[in-house]
Amino acid sequence: DVKVTQSSRYLVKRTGEKVFLECVQDMDHENMFWYRQDPGLGLRLIYFSYDVKMKEKGDIPEGYSVSREKKERFSLILESASTNQTSMYLCATQGGNNYGYTFGSGTRLTVV
Amino acid sequence: EDQVTQSPEALRLQEGESSSLNCSYTVSGLRGLFWYRQDPGKGPEFLFTLYSAGEEKEKERLKATLTKKESFLHITAPKPEDSATYLCAVQAGGYQKVTFGTGTKLQVIP
Repeated sequence: DVKVTQSSRYLVKRTGEKVFLECVQDMDHENMFWYRQDPGLGLRLIYFSYDVKMKEKGDIPEGYSVSREKKERFSLILESASTNQTSMYLCATQGGNNYGYTFGSGTRLTVV
Repeated sequence: EDQVTQSPEALRLQEGESSSLNCSYTVSGLRGLFWYRQDPGKGPEFLFTLYSAGEEKEKERLKATLTKKESFLHITAPKPEDSATYLCAVQAGGYQKVTFGTGTKLQVIP
C-alpha cells in the first residue's frame, strides 16, 4: 500500500513565522497535492505538482508556496503565518488505476 | 464551475438500519466520482471510483451508484464502526480539477 507521511500531527506557530509542512510518499507517484480542510468549507486545493520541480496553483494559493526537489517529497511553505491559516492541512498523492487519492494523516496547524 | 453537494449533513442511524447518502454534482466532462471515508483527526481514506452512469461498486456494507447527476452511497445494516464522515468528490478536465463536497457525518448507534 502507498504510504503518505506528514511530518507533524500538530503544530503551533506564531503570527509572522515561516512554517514548513513536509510530506513524503513511499511509492513512485508523480502527482502530489496539498489541501486544507476547514469546517463547512470542505477540502480546498492549495497547490499540486505533476513532477519534480513542477508546481501548479490550486484554488487558494495566496500566502503559500511549495517545493518539490525530489519525487517523493512535497513541501508546503507558509511564508508568513497568519491566524486565518489555522487549519487542517492534508497531503495526497494520486496514482494507480483507480485515480483515487491517498492522503496523509494531516497536520493540524494553529497560528497564534 | 464544478459543484458537489452532499446531503444530509449529518445522519444518525440505529445499528442495522440501512440508509443512503446523496451526492449531487455538476461538472463538465466527468472523469471520475470518488467516495472517501474520514475518521476524526485523520486523512480521508479512499473507498470507490465511479466513471460512468449506471456503474456500481461494493465493499462490505457499502455500495456506491452513479447517475448523470448524482451518486448514492448505500449503507446496508450498518455497524457502529461505520461511523465516520463520508466525502464525495468529482474530477473533470485534468488532474487538478477535483472538487470535494463538505461531507455527511454518519453516526451509528449500538
